[in-house]
Parts: sequence; C-alpha cells; structure tokens
Amino acid sequence: DADVTQTPRNRITKTGKRIMLECSQTKGHDRMYWYRQDPGLGLRLIYYSFDVKDINKGEISDGYSVSRQAQAKFSLSLESAIPNQTALYFCATSDLQEDTQYFGPGTRLTVL
Amino acid sequence: KQEVTQIPAALSVPEGENLVLNCSFTDSAIYNLQWFRQDPGKGLTSLLLIQSSQREQTSGRLNASLDKSSGRSTLYIAASQPGDSATYLCADTSGTYKYIFGTGTRLKVLA
Repeated sequence: DADVTQTPRNRITKTGKRIMLECSQTKGHDRMYWYRQDPGLGLRLIYYSFDVKDINKGEISDGYSVSRQAQAKFSLSLESAIPNQTALYFCATSDLQEDTQYFGPGTRLTVL
Repeated sequence: KQEVTQIPAALSVPEGENLVLNCSFTDSAIYNLQWFRQDPGKGLTSLLLIQSSQREQTSGRLNASLDKSSGRSTLYIAASQPGDSATYLCADTSGTYKYIFGTGTRLKVLA
C-alpha cells in the first residue's frame, strides 16, 4: 500500500462549488504539505503543517483552506471553486530527520 | 528570491543514448538541490539529493552534479531506456519546508 494517498484522484466540478481534497499518510510523519502544479509553473506550496496544531500559509493560499484532522490526515478545501484552480494537486509529508518530502500520487482537479 | 529554471521543457532521445538534463538557479546560497522523477498518476519520487558540501551524487545510471558558483545542476542519465521516460524536476530544497521547484523537463526515450 502507498505511504501517501490522495482522494479523489480525479475530480471535475463546477464554478462556485465547494470541494475537499483529502490526504492520508502511514509514514508517521509530523509534517504535511499541499502543492499545486500548473503547466509551465512547476509546483507551488499552498499550505503546510508541522503538526496537528500548527498550520501555515504557503506561497499561494488565497482561495484555499486546510484542516489537519490528525497526524495522518490533511485536507485541502476550495470553498468556492473557480476555473483557474484547475490544476494537479499534490500532498506531501516529511520528517525532521530526513532531507526529503514524500509525495502522494496527485489529484487532478478540473473546474468548469 | 530563488528562481529555478529547467531547459528544455521536453526532450526525445533514442534508446541507449547518454543524456544531460539541465537545472539553473539564481541564488547560489543553496544548501540542498534535489532531482525528482514524476510519472503520471504516481506523484514525485526523489532521485538524488546533493548537499552544498558535495559536488555530485550517483545512483545507478544517474549522476547529478552541483556547481553553486555557476548556478547550475545537471542530471546525467547513462544508457537511457524507455523506462526512463518521465518528467524530471529539480528543486532547491534548502528550506525545511519551502521547496522551490523548476518547471521540469519531459523526457521521452524512444525504443
């Protein structure tokens, strides 16, 4: 089983709808991250969390919110989706002892 | 502000060829430079991590180098195979949480 899972894997929604993307991890890591990837722009950090009580905005947090329900779960919400939020979304985790982040398989979101 | 650039955006090569992928960065005060592989539907996988005290790292057919003075890193792939087809991303991973990614090079190795 994958260490970092994301649901759903693909989602098509309409402008104005509320949508939640979920991330779960079995790696036991304290740190979790949400990124979006757009063609020609690379990955950009949306939010990150160092533990259940610590949530921080990243580079492009406007229009998004997050919830860290438990050490293993980190959800990303779009309160009112808009077309320019169409992107590939990645969740990642890391441990203070390691110099790398571990990525989930991604969620492809399309907002019509 | 660090900016990471990868050129070309796409590359096609015949199987067996040795190839070099390029990564440029603007801030030479870089501590960690990582290369990732991205496969469709499978997320990103770390390939090699080069710390600033190192000049290169090797793993199998992959060799990554880091030249801070010139603001460049290269990923060398020897004897390329169709299974190497993927998008390769470099990133400044110096920050404890803030990774700065390049836009990637999409590699296709033709059988």
